[in-house]
Amino acid sequence: GEDVEQSLFLSVREGDSSVINCTYTDSSSTYLYWYKQEPGAGLQLLTYIFSNMDMKQDQRLTVLLNKKDKHLSLRIADTQTGDSAIYFCAEKAGTYKYIFGTGTRLKVLA
Amino acid sequence: NAGVTQTPKFQVLKTGQSMTLQCAQDMNHEYMSWYRQDPGMGLRLIHYSVGAGITDQGEVPNGYNVSRSTTEDFPLRLLSAAPSQTSVYFCASSYLGTANTGELFFGEGSRLTVL
Repeated sequence: GEDVEQSLFLSVREGDSSVINCTYTDSSSTYLYWYKQEPGAGLQLLTYIFSNMDMKQDQRLTVLLNKKDKHLSLRIADTQTGDSAIYFCAEKAGTYKYIFGTGTRLKVLA
Repeated sequence: NAGVTQTPKFQVLKTGQSMTLQCAQDMNHEYMSWYRQDPGMGLRLIHYSVGAGITDQGEVPNGYNVSRSTTEDFPLRLLSAAPSQTSVYFCASSYLGTANTGELFFGEGSRLTVL
């Protein structure tokens, strides 16, 4: 079946890099996304990658896509306390269909 | 910039009561959707719409109704609330079309408790 899997928790020290991983199942997905959810708020798009790309860099964020293994990762360099949030991986698996992962709660320790 | 506006932010219901969660967007998005967020389960799609007068079921539609009479509004109705519907509900909208990245714009959520 269709599923997007993520680990539930990640804890890092301030200044270290964070790597959040995701596996997805639909090989026909056109776009893959990373959304950030801060406490008490809705989700906001952090970054996305088109399925024909391997990597995308945007300031402190690096997205890696391995289509063969259906693996997506988000690396946050120099992680700050303000990066503490829940991060959702999502795939666009059809014109009207988005599949979200369970979310990874990132805790940044000062 | 209003974006996607949801009301109410919080609601407590008794089992069997009905209510409507409101969602409005001012971005002229064709696509609108409702998700519920439960611990450890991520977001699950309840219903979606691709334009006024067009709605379809998502992954978990039972117990919920929707309608789309205008491009801007997409209300979610609970006809007879059950404790299993205790959740945080998110409305999200997007442009359609292959030229777009398909980014979903989310409201701030509505936290519903059914006693």
